[in-house]
Amino acid sequence: DAGVIQSPRHEVTEMGQEVTLRCKPISGHDYLFWYRQTMMRGLELLIYFNNNVPIDDSGMPEDRFSAKMPNASFSTLKIQPSEPRDSAVYFCASSLQWGTKNIQYFGAGTRLSVL
Amino acid sequence: AQSVTQPDIHITVSEGASLELRCNYSYGATPYLFWYVQSPGQGLQLLLKYFSGDTLVQGIKGFEAEFKRSQSSFNLRKPSVHWSDAAEYFCAVGARGGGADGLTFGKGTHLIIQP
Repeated sequence: DAGVIQSPRHEVTEMGQEVTLRCKPISGHDYLFWYRQTMMRGLELLIYFNNNVPIDDSGMPEDRFSAKMPNASFSTLKIQPSEPRDSAVYFCASSLQWGTKNIQYFGAGTRLSVL
Repeated sequence: AQSVTQPDIHITVSEGASLELRCNYSYGATPYLFWYVQSPGQGLQLLLKYFSGDTLVQGIKGFEAEFKRSQSSFNLRKPSVHWSDAAEYFCAVGARGGGADGLTFGKGTHLIIQP
């Protein structure tokens, strides 16, 4: 399996622009997670999906952030409008089954820089 | 809610020397415990996990970790480090029971290997 695939790997944009990050989970995995990594706050869970349905979005920082999973093989995280403080590495992860006992597999991340 | 503390932000070890990375957690019961490694520009890779049973768990790349309930710790060890072990190491906690909540990560420990 190719693993979790994220695109783009790097994104540089200007403040106020819309940013869309993409994730393809491992085939057959029912859970998809979006994390954000910053120096100050470390790795934080933003939102996760089960069978394409958002389950918990309490980690989404503001209404400027939105995430969708239109099908089992694709998810997007959108920031509109973007701000410099959104600069971070965004990771997508997927797991096979229910519960944190199941291993989460991470993508390589998208490094976002908002100027 | 669970939390994870990795007290050492940076650790420098000579190649061939032994390594111990500290991890303390806070949780009302015995959690699921994980160690992940992140190489530069890469996503997180699972090193090992503890769910139950033997408190000394073996992982990939020669790493092991020991769960100590009395100390709420899950320290990572390796008897002899290699230059390729230079990376960021994350300890993570997963809640038992219902729900598929995302993992709670520590802030990470940056491992530097001296020749």
